[in-house]
This record gives sequence, C-alpha cells and structure tokens, in this order.
Amino acid sequence: SYVVTQPPSVSVAPGQTARISCGGNNIGSKSVHWYQQKPGQAPVLVVYDDTDRPSGIPERFSGSNSGNTATLTISRVEAGDEADYYCQVWGTTSDRWVFGGGTKLTVL
Amino acid sequence: EVQLVESGGGLVEPGGSLRLSCAASGFTLSSSSMTWVRQAPGKGLEWVSAISSGSSYIYYGDSVKGRFTVSRDNAKSSLYLQMNSLRAEDTGIYYCARVTGQFGGDDYFDHWGQGTLVTVSS
Repeated sequence: SYVVTQPPSVSVAPGQTARISCGGNNIGSKSVHWYQQKPGQAPVLVVYDDTDRPSGIPERFSGSNSGNTATLTISRVEAGDEADYYCQVWGTTSDRWVFGGGTKLTVL
Repeated sequence: EVQLVESGGGLVEPGGSLRLSCAASGFTLSSSSMTWVRQAPGKGLEWVSAISSGSSYIYYGDSVKGRFTVSRDNAKSSLYLQMNSLRAEDTGIYYCARVTGQFGGDDYFDHWGQGTLVTVSS
C-alpha cells in the first residue's frame, strides 16, 4: 500500500511561518489534500489539489507538491492555528484513500 | 448549508454488531459519493469505506474488509455502516464525509460530520 509520512510535531512562534511536510514515493504525481483538526472537533479541509483553498480558508494557508514531498505552509501563524494537520492522497487498489499520520502544530 | 449528522455509536462487546447512520442535509445526497473515516483514541485518521452516488462503486479498507458493509438510502438522505465481528481495535470516533467527484483519483472530503463514538469492550 502507498505510505505517506509526516513529522509528528512542528513548533513555531506567532507571526512566523510553519511548514508541514508530507512525504511519499513520487507524491508529486498525486493530488494532495490537507485537513486541520482541532481538539474535540471534526477535521476541516484547508487545502485541496495541492494548492487550492476552500472558501473561508485564509490566504495564509497554502500548499505545494513536487517530487517526493508535499508541503502545507501557514504564514503569519496565529494561536488559533494550533491543531493537528493531516495530508491525504489517493492510494492503491487496496487502500483507496491514505492519510498521513498527522502533525501536531504547536504555537509557542 | 451542508450538514452531516452521525448516530448509532455506543458500547458493544467484542464480536458484536453495530449500525451507524449519517443523516445528510443541505445538498443532494443522490449526487454525491460518501465515505466513512475513523479515528482511534489519540490516534490519526483512518479511511474505512466509500460508496459512489449510485452505489455502483463500493470500497473498503483492508482492516474492515469482510466485516463492515456500507450502504445508502438516497430517498432518506442517509448513509449507513453496518459493522459486524467488532474488535477492540475498531474503537474510535467514526465520521461520515462527503466525497468530491466519483473516485477519479483526486477526490477529497469537503464536508465532515461531528462523528459518533464506538467503543468495543467487554
């Protein structure tokens, strides 16, 4: 099955830029989607198709995807951005959709 | 406004069964593919199952294949997950979500319910 790997945690000071990676074999050939999940809440889509944002998601959230790594970038980080972030891709015939293990973003 | 409301979770003994429901509103369910995703306590997201708008395509994750059955009733705007032969490792929050597209390889989940908790324990 296709495996995607995320760092368990990322820490950043308010106002700085956070970058969360999602690694996979030739992931640049796939569409990568990102979800934000705050404690006790359901996941929320923040980036889809590598770079697009749903309506209502701030422009501070952006994505990129090339080679073996996709990246979610959060600019001018705010305390309210503290959450778990998951990447997701279309997998294989055995597991159609695959999530990364998640990255906990801590705002210092 | 798109709304998805799950129900049917609870405490069940190992080997038991449970049927989850997901009530959809604010959009035309019959035009949408749907999915179930679960999350074990303190763990990440795991895709469970998906069903296309007309039920022509149905997929399961390896960990639930042969034990879980997804279905839908478009007339009732509802999605279901029948879970049999439950194990302790099936414990977690189960979310239903709307899938964009019809399983073309670039689909994602644009709206999620709040989830229902399933606990498998004796």
